[in-house]
Formats: sequence, structure tokens, C-alpha cells
Amino acid sequence: KQEVTQIPAALSVPEGENLVLNCSFTDSAIYNLQWFRQDPGKGLTSLLLIQSSQREQTSGRLNASLDKSSGRSTLYIAASQPGDSATYLCAAASGNTGKLIFGQGTTLQVKP
Amino acid sequence: DADVTQTPRNRITKTGKRIMLECSQTKGHDRMYWYRQDPGLGLRLIYYSFDVKDINKGEISDGYSVSRQAQAKFSLSLESAIPNQTALYFCATSDGRNYGYTFGSGTRLTVV
Repeated sequence: KQEVTQIPAALSVPEGENLVLNCSFTDSAIYNLQWFRQDPGKGLTSLLLIQSSQREQTSGRLNASLDKSSGRSTLYIAASQPGDSATYLCAAASGNTGKLIFGQGTTLQVKP
Repeated sequence: DADVTQTPRNRITKTGKRIMLECSQTKGHDRMYWYRQDPGLGLRLIYYSFDVKDINKGEISDGYSVSRQAQAKFSLSLESAIPNQTALYFCATSDGRNYGYTFGSGTRLTVV
């Protein structure tokens, strides 16, 4: 059974800092790994999707990497801004069905 | 209009009542999902459907039922609501190739 873990659960950083959010998964037979952003009380916004054959994806100040052999993914946020404050969720898509299994999220606060 | 629309946005209901949450999508995706989110527990899969005639239980289906009325519509029912079903409910869709997900804005359900 796939389990996804995110560390840390919460993170507070000053504006401008570069930061890394971690995600680990137990079953390497994934189809893809996805990162989402969730603002309080809101829905999920897709940030990046890394196919199992890929090593990383980039979008603006965001870069996500995937290492299937070690069961890890990281989300790198460059030059953080207060508007980046949100909860970040990673999710692994099952290799057979595409079902997403979510981690519990990392709540990020970027202080001005 | 949003790609995935959930109604209602908020609902308060009494214990024992039957309630239906509705989801419609304009993505043209075959696959639809219902998740619930609880604080500290992340998102957990309730039911999923790969097409109108293919409906499957997720990890926490007890107490819930679903109906796929058309490719674009997938509803979730609580036959007899109980307080521990108080949560934020999300509907999502995905394509069958990349498994990129699109989420609705969520329904906040409170059972009193």
C-alpha cells in the first residue's frame, strides 16, 4: 500500500529565502508525482507534474525533482514571497490506476 | 466557468439526514474522483469512476455512495449523515493518459 509522507509539516521563512519541501513515498511503482498548492479553505491548484520517466519539472520559481529509486521528491521554491504562503501537497499516482495518494502537506508561511 | 464545479459550496445538515453533493466537469475527462479532507489527515479517496459503468470504492467508502449520471456528472451521497463525516469534500477529474488532475473548489460539509 502506497504511503506518502511530507516533511516538515510546517515551515516559516523570511521573504527572499530559497526553500525545499520534501516528499517521500513507499512504493516506487508510480505513474507520476504531482505537487499542489492549497490556500486556506480553498481547492487544490496543480503546480507541477513529473512523469515517472522524468527527473524534474520547472515552472517559474518552482522546481520539482523525482528520484523513484529512493522514493523521494522535492519542491524547490526560489526567492520566496509572502504570496507563496499556503499548504503544499504532494501526491503519487498509482502505476495501475492513476489514483492519487496524498501526503499530509507542508504549511508554508513566508514572512515579509 | 470552472472546469470542475461542485455544489453546494457549504452545507450544514443534521445527523441522520440524507445529503447529496454534486460535481460536474467540462474537461471531457472520463475519470472522476471524490476525496475528503480532514485536518492533519490529508486527502483520502472515497470513490472513483473510470467511466459511467465503472465505479470503484476508495479507501474510506463506508457510509457513502456515488452515482455517475453521465460522463460529466458524479454525485456523492451520505445516506445517513453522522458528525464524523464533517469535512471538506473535493471532486476531481483526470485524463487517462497523463493522469493530470483538476480539482473542484470543494464542499464544506458540517453534520450537527
